[in-house]
Amino acid sequence: GAGVSQTPSNKVTEKGKYVELRCDPISGHTALYWYRQSLGQGPEFLIYFQGTGAADDSGLPNDRFFAVRPEGSVSTLKIQRTERGDSAVYLCASSLNVVETQYFGPGTRLLVL
Amino acid sequence: EDQVTQSPEALRLQEGESSSLNCSYTVSGLRGLFWYRQDPGKGPEFLFTLYSAGEEKEKERLKATLTKKESFLHITAPKPEDSATYLCAAESSYKLIFGSGTRLLVRP
Repeated sequence: GAGVSQTPSNKVTEKGKYVELRCDPISGHTALYWYRQSLGQGPEFLIYFQGTGAADDSGLPNDRFFAVRPEGSVSTLKIQRTERGDSAVYLCASSLNVVETQYFGPGTRLLVL
Repeated sequence: EDQVTQSPEALRLQEGESSSLNCSYTVSGLRGLFWYRQDPGKGPEFLFTLYSAGEEKEKERLKATLTKKESFLHITAPKPEDSATYLCAAESSYKLIFGSGTRLLVRP
């Protein structure tokens, strides 16, 4: 079956611009997670959803970052007023429920010039 | 503070030369310890979950073990296709806390 998909695969933007990153989880998975991975580091937790609601957003670095999952399936990570330090790979993962294994997508590589 | 530390940062092996990767953790409310493999430009690929000290899991040339403070990923007779970054993660409150990974290069 299809795995987690993320679009776009690459995004180049200018400092100060707004970007949206999309995640399509595995069909039937109720939990969805966002992580951020900088070069040479492991992924860092940002936020996770159980269904439509954000169950834990403690990893979002500041109020420029926001994520939604309005219908309990696709999720969008939104970054306002991008900064060069936001450049990283943004990974999405999904699991059948919160106690099951998380499966990752290929990531979106964001470069802020 | 919750922390996961992996060593070594990088490891070069000759094909067939067995070795072990280490993951030490200090995490409150640990629910499980996960190993993932990550190839360049790809997302992490799930390998194993370990839930209790003494547990072992095997898959082909890989075996993962768990103690109360550490986990080991043993690689037996590795092949060049085992070259990748291996990530360890501890799960607490339904989120994964990752180490920085071990970059493994297996030379033919």
